[in-house]
Amino acid sequence: QSVLTQPPSVSAAPGQKVTISCSGSSSNIGNNDYISWYQQLPGTAPKLLIYDSYKRASGIPDRFSGSKSGTSATLGISGLQTGDEADYFCGTWDSSLRAGVFGGGTKVTVL
Amino acid sequence: EVQLVQSGAEVKKPGESLRISCKGSGYSFSSFWISWVRQKPGKGLEWIGRIDTSDSFTSYGPSFQGHVTISVDKSIRTAYLQLNNLKASDTAMYYCARPGYCNDDSCRDLDNWGQGTLVTVSS
Repeated sequence: QSVLTQPPSVSAAPGQKVTISCSGSSSNIGNNDYISWYQQLPGTAPKLLIYDSYKRASGIPDRFSGSKSGTSATLGISGLQTGDEADYFCGTWDSSLRAGVFGGGTKVTVL
Repeated sequence: EVQLVQSGAEVKKPGESLRISCKGSGYSFSSFWISWVRQKPGKGLEWIGRIDTSDSFTSYGPSFQGHVTISVDKSIRTAYLQLNNLKASDTAMYYCARPGYCNDDSCRDLDNWGQGTLVTVSS
């Protein structure tokens, strides 16, 4: 059971937009602005997409966006491409656990 | 270019021990912490722990405290994850990753990742 909660899957047609939610609590997402999002393509290591809730990592296109409100964060992917099919994870620090925490991951499918 | 290169896949028997390595290059190694993350087959990411490569300060996630040991040899720019008394449930991919920023209280994003080390525990 992951500390952060994500939907198991989302899907949309090419060119459309998907959003992935990441729900936490006052000891993690609600306690800091350092939410990160990772993309994991099949058979590869995770790759940083978004850090500090909304900043894009180096080389990440502006089709990817991040936001945070209260104890939840959201990743948006617009202009969906077949190459975006992957698992996406949110992560942050939990001040009560004194540990990093992740969401369970969301599989994005391009229909 | 920042690179984290991990040691190769391992197959171990229950009860055995294992040490995985993670060698950093392309950056000032002792200026950044190293974190370790576990991913069981078909599952999500789990934060194992972290080490300050400058002074070897470590902290561990609650589920891993007492079961793993993280260490570093900064002279060869290498961090280690030791797993003792292996069980079948330790079968997983283990990643090292570099946090973009850490202090004693917290860490932020993981901006560079190793390629992963697959550990299989089977009798």
